[in-house]
Amino acid sequence: DAGVIQSPRHEVTEMGQEVTLRCKPISGHDYLFWYRQTMMRGLELLIYFNNNVPIDDSGMPEDRFSAKMPNASFSTLKIQPSEPRDSAVYFCASSRVVSSYEQYFGPGTRLTVT
Amino acid sequence: GENVEQHPSTLSVQEGDSAVIKCTYSDSASNYFPWYKQELGKGPQLIIDIRSNVGEKKDQRIAVTLNKTAKHFSLHITETQPEDSAVYFCAADPTDSWGKLQFGAGTQVVVTP
Repeated sequence: DAGVIQSPRHEVTEMGQEVTLRCKPISGHDYLFWYRQTMMRGLELLIYFNNNVPIDDSGMPEDRFSAKMPNASFSTLKIQPSEPRDSAVYFCASSRVVSSYEQYFGPGTRLTVT
Repeated sequence: GENVEQHPSTLSVQEGDSAVIKCTYSDSASNYFPWYKQELGKGPQLIIDIRSNVGEKKDQRIAVTLNKTAKHFSLHITETQPEDSAVYFCAADPTDSWGKLQFGAGTQVVVTP
C-alpha cells in the first residue's frame, strides 16, 4: 500500500489567499484525521471523520478552517482567508475500524503564509 | 480533558547506550498509550503501543512500561543506533473520546556515534 498521500508537500501563499490541502487515506481505512503541528502547540487534532462523516471538529481553530470528505478516498482541508499564524505542518492520518487506535500518518504539508 | 506531559524534551545518548522517555497522563480513564517516532520531514510513525490491561510490552530493542496507579508510562530503547535519532511522541487515548489522541510535547533523541 502507498500509505497516506498528501498534497502539496509544500505551500507558500500570501495572507488572505485561499489554501486547500488534500489527503488520500489508506484504502479500507474508515477513519480520517487532520492534525496541525507547530513548535508552540505541538500536534493538535483539528477534525476527524468516520465513513466520510465529520465526527468531531472541536479542534478546528475558527471559521476560516473547513474540512470535507466527499468520498472514502479523498479529503480536503481549506483555509480561507489564510493568515501568517496558520503557518504549520498539516498532517492527515487514517485508521481502520477493526485495528482500533493505530493511526497512520501522511508525510504532511508544510504551509507558509507570508 | 486529558493532559499528557513528556520528559525530557531533548535526550543525547551515545551509540549502544539505553534511552528512556517518560510520560504522565491525567485522565485515569485512558486505556491506550501509543508511541510515535517522527523523522525529519516525515509524519509520525507508530512504533509501539500498550493497552491498560498490560504492564509491559517489548518489540526487539524497544519496550514500553505502564503504571496505571501512578498514571505514567515510559519508552525504553536499548542498544541505541544512529537511526534511532528522531523526535518521539507519547500519546494517551481517553475512553470517552475514541481517536482523540492527546500527544505529549515530544522528545528529540540524538544518538552520537
